[in-house]
Amino acid sequence: DIQMTQSPSSLSASVGDRVTITCRASHNIGDRLNWYQQKPGKAPKLLIYAASNLQSGVPSRFSGSGSGTDFTLTISSLQPEDFASYLCQQSYRSSFGPGTRLDIK
Amino acid sequence: QVQLHESGPGLVKPSGTLSLTCAVSGGSINSSTWWSWVRQPPGKGLEWIGEIYHSGSTNYNPSLKSPVTISIDRSKNQFSLKVTSVTAADTAVYYCATTPATTKYQNFDCWGQGMLVTVSS
Repeated sequence: DIQMTQSPSSLSASVGDRVTITCRASHNIGDRLNWYQQKPGKAPKLLIYAASNLQSGVPSRFSGSGSGTDFTLTISSLQPEDFASYLCQQSYRSSFGPGTRLDIK
Repeated sequence: QVQLHESGPGLVKPSGTLSLTCAVSGGSINSSTWWSWVRQPPGKGLEWIGEIYHSGSTNYNPSLKSPVTISIDRSKNQFSLKVTSVTAADTAVYYCATTPATTKYQNFDCWGQGMLVTVSS
C-alpha cells in the first residue's frame, strides 16, 4: 500500500496570509496527486489534479507543485471561504491523506 | 453538469448487507466516465471503495476488508454498491463520485452529497 501523510495536521492563519500544506507519499507516485477541499458536512471538492493542474472554476490563488513523493498545495492569499480541511489523494493506487484543517487565527 | 444522488437504508444490522444506489442526472451513465464509491467513517479520512465503467468493467480497492460489489443499471441511469457481512467498521458517510475517462489519472471531479449509513443492531 502507498501511505500518504500530510503536514501540518492543522494550522491557524489569517485572511490574506499565504499558506502551504505538504503531502508526502511513501512511494514514488510521479505526478499522480490530487488536492481536495472539504468543509464540515459536505463532500470534497477537487482543487488540483495531476499535482499542478487547476480544476476548472477553482480560483487561481490555489496552486500545486511537486512530483515523486513530495507535494505542496499553496493558497496565495487566504479568503474567508478557504477555511476548511484540505486532503491529498494519490491516484496510483487511490488512497487519501489524513487531511489538514485550516482554521481562522 | 452531472449531478449525483445517493439513496438507500441509513441503518444496517451487523452481518447484514449494505445496499446503496447513486442516481445520475444531467448526464448519461453511458458517457466516458468512471463511476466510483468513496466512504468516510465519522471523524476519519476518505477511503476509495471501487469504480465501474458503463461497459461493466470494475476496479476495487484491494485493501478493503469487507466484500463489495459495484453494479450498473443503464436503463435507470444509476449505479449501485453492495457491501456484505458488514460490521461497525463499515459505518460511514458513503459518497458516489465521478472520474472522467478522458483524464490521465483518476481524480474525483463530481460528488454526491453523501449518505450516512450506520451499522448497528
